[in-house]
Amino acid sequence: NAGVTQTPKFRILKIGQSMTLQCTQDMNHNYMYWYRQDPGMGLKLIYYSVGAGITDKGEVPNGYNVSRSTTEDFPLRLELAAPSQTSVYFCASSPLMGSAGELFFGEGSRLTVL
Amino acid sequence: RKEVEQDPGPFNVPEGATVAFNCTYSNSASQSFFWYRQDCRKEPKLLMSVYSSGNEDGRFTAQLNRASQYISLLIRDSKLSDSATYLCVVNLGNSGNTPLVFGKGTRLSVIA
Repeated sequence: NAGVTQTPKFRILKIGQSMTLQCTQDMNHNYMYWYRQDPGMGLKLIYYSVGAGITDKGEVPNGYNVSRSTTEDFPLRLELAAPSQTSVYFCASSPLMGSAGELFFGEGSRLTVL
Repeated sequence: RKEVEQDPGPFNVPEGATVAFNCTYSNSASQSFFWYRQDCRKEPKLLMSVYSSGNEDGRFTAQLNRASQYISLLIRDSKLSDSATYLCVVNLGNSGNTPLVFGKGTRLSVIA
């Protein structure tokens, strides 16, 4: 029962580097999300997707890009990494949106930008 | 009013104590409410949904007060294993098809 799998679990980047956080789910969920969580803070939504080929911005999309070519995969791309992007990133999926859908989270990816 | 607001705590309580958390939300038209639990350096996991009539799951009781726009979580007979951060989560949209918004969380430490 893999659920939501994120890679890598840890990464250190230099300022200006780029990288992709991978997220895959095996539950056939239509809805997928990327959140970031800064220390002592709640989760803030970066991007979400309601199905393959459809993505939308969340609360804090600047500096990130996403794509959703398949139901299973929802990678998050960081372009030109900045220290402000140091955070823990959580990918999540749900069978339904918003009101009824429990979110299933990956274990998180801890990113440090130096 | 912030969208979803919680007292950050920490709440330090002895084993066996009863503790309650409140969470306020900004949109009176919000339809869905949840409590998630997050252990240290782990991902959030659903603890319970909050229904209009209130609901109970073992030692945990969740209630909704629409008039005052807050939800609450009551934990009775606290256990050491209840130590965690409790996240209030609200669907702030006027329909069901908007992403959930998370509060910053309330940290609970249950002490032996």
